[in-house]
Amino acid sequence: SQQGEEDPQALSIQEGENATMNCSYKTSINNLQWYRQNSGRGLVHLILIRSNEREKHSGRLRVTLDTSKKSSSLLITASRAADTASYFCVKMGNFNKFYFGSGTKLNVKP
Amino acid sequence: EAGVAQSPRYKIIEKRQSVAFWCNPISGHATLYWYQQILGQGPKLLIQFQNNGVVDDSQLPKDRFSAERLKGVDSTLKIQPAKLEDSAVYLCASSLGDRVYEQYFGPGTRLTVT
Repeated sequence: SQQGEEDPQALSIQEGENATMNCSYKTSINNLQWYRQNSGRGLVHLILIRSNEREKHSGRLRVTLDTSKKSSSLLITASRAADTASYFCVKMGNFNKFYFGSGTKLNVKP
Repeated sequence: EAGVAQSPRYKIIEKRQSVAFWCNPISGHATLYWYQQILGQGPKLLIQFQNNGVVDDSQLPKDRFSAERLKGVDSTLKIQPAKLEDSAVYLCASSLGDRVYEQYFGPGTRLTVT
């Protein structure tokens, strides 16, 4: 299966701490995206990293991609209670097919 | 800019009944997606349209699910007949297409089959 795994399934941290989520995949990808889902705003695109990129930043978000290990990580620095959500990595493979992972549920305690 | 619109927001039906969902993507977005999200899981792509042509429907249960995209804009997803395991949130998303892959999601339709 293309989907791979996300790790951890759930993460609970204090406000101000950093949160790291990992995503692995099994076959080659063209790009990888991270999305956030919470009850208030639904599913929202966060960041896209292409297969020829190794690291990308957007505000408090840092995404890395290691194609040799077939893995990606999302780091949220200085987390806030509003970051509480489920985070999904989405792999885009051949023929522009998209595969969502099972997600990491992040809880940021105030 | 208006977002992706979906209706209805909630639907409760009995098994073996039929149901239809409607999606209006962001204006100018060529690519439209329908996803099924079962509670506690990530969204699963059901069908992807590029304009009004189907790009991928490999995970669409074609014996009961059908979808169309009228004139490359609005889309409807139908289930006939519904089963208990179809209870899920049905999400519609759109993207510009033409190598722009960020997807914009609608609020979803929560379907309960009893």
